[in-house]
Amino acid sequence: AQRVTQPEKLLSVFKGAPVELKCNYSYSGSPELFWYVQYSRQRLQLLLRHISRESIKGFTADLNKGETSFHLKKPFAQEEDSAMYYCALSGITQGGSEKLVFGKGTKLTVNP
Amino acid sequence: DSGVTQTPKHLITATGQRVTLRCSPRSGDLSVYWYQQSLDQGLQFLIQYYNGEERAKGNILERFSAQQFPDLHSELNLSSLELGDSALYFCASSVGAGGSTDTQYFGPGTRLTVL
Repeated sequence: AQRVTQPEKLLSVFKGAPVELKCNYSYSGSPELFWYVQYSRQRLQLLLRHISRESIKGFTADLNKGETSFHLKKPFAQEEDSAMYYCALSGITQGGSEKLVFGKGTKLTVNP
Repeated sequence: DSGVTQTPKHLITATGQRVTLRCSPRSGDLSVYWYQQSLDQGLQFLIQYYNGEERAKGNILERFSAQQFPDLHSELNLSSLELGDSALYFCASSVGAGGSTDTQYFGPGTRLTVL
């Protein structure tokens, strides 16, 4: 089964502190993973994808196939990082097409 | 602004009724995706259309149907509504037919409340 688990519904850190949002996945194939973010009153948008190996807004995420994880990290959190974060996996439907499977999200609050 | 528009923003209806949600993709995007977000299930993929044809199907109930028109806008039809259908319905669009490099751009969502 294709599944994405984000164990923390809520995460609260102070400005300048490191932050790590956890994501674990279950997928029998070669996984392709993403992080999406939704800021207050804005739309859900792609933050980063693992195949790009990019750093966006100071965030990075490394795919660890051994631990089946794709945790999102930032060394120094900013107040503007407060948002809802969703981890997603590109999986296969029963018909063989690709689809995004989302975790339930983690609400990050960065306190001043 | 991602350019994906959805109407209406809010919809309140009664059980047993039928509603239609509308989505207009970004200019140039050929794919439209529909998602349902509820408190207990999270964000769930329903269906994808690419250039007018059904491309991928997810956890879409038989009471739900969708289509994509020649101008590429899409409609999601929900019938015989139940209380449990109350949710946020998102539409997304992308340039291509899908895949990990085909970025999906999301609309603002339609909040459906079934009373």
